Amino acid sequence: GNSVTQMEGPVTLSEEAFLTINCTYTATGYPSLFWYVQYPGEGLQLLLKATKADDKGSNKGFEATYRKETTSFHLEKGSVQVSDSAVYFCALTGAGSYQLTFGKGTKLSVIP
Amino acid sequence: DAGVTQSPTHLIKTRGQQVTLRCSPKSGHDTVSWYQQALGQGPQFIFQYYEEEERQRGNFPDRFSGHQFPNYSSELNVNALLLGDSALYLCASSSGTNQPQHFGDGTRLSIL
Repeated sequence: GNSVTQMEGPVTLSEEAFLTINCTYTATGYPSLFWYVQYPGEGLQLLLKATKADDKGSNKGFEATYRKETTSFHLEKGSVQVSDSAVYFCALTGAGSYQLTFGKGTKLSVIP
Repeated sequence: DAGVTQSPTHLIKTRGQQVTLRCSPKSGHDTVSWYQQALGQGPQFIFQYYEEEERQRGNFPDRFSGHQFPNYSSELNVNALLLGDSALYLCASSSGTNQPQHFGDGTRLSIL
């Protein structure tokens, strides 16, 4: 079946530091890949997506590139802010499937 | 434009009871999915409804059932509640296949 593995947290960074959250996946065919963010007490918000190999999703300074050869979709941001503190989930939908399969989430804390 | 709305926000039940959670999709969306998010975990897919039919189901027992109404809103019913059913229940809506799912803020269900 499909699965998503993302780096264990929590991750603590100083403001303006560089962020990388690793995500790898297992799926048949060509899945669509997503990053969702969850702020405390809220539901999930779509951060970015990529639907085919070598696509780069980007939003609010965050980027992730769909790497078919390494089955990865790592999230990056050049300079994090305190307001980026949240839990980040990597997810996929497999070919022919309607469900989102999520990783366990990575909690990010950014300190001033 | 209202997003996905869920009710109630919080709910406390005892073992063996039954519960109904409600979801109104984002305007223009016709597909509703339900997810269970245990504390510290990623969301797990329960099922998806489209055109008032269950289109796909995850690995959840028959105690979990649902319904979609002609106005695309949806209900999640859970019978014979267990302590392990304590979780955040998230509703997500989308329009068409391969479109991103938009999440509500969830219903926090606590079983005593």
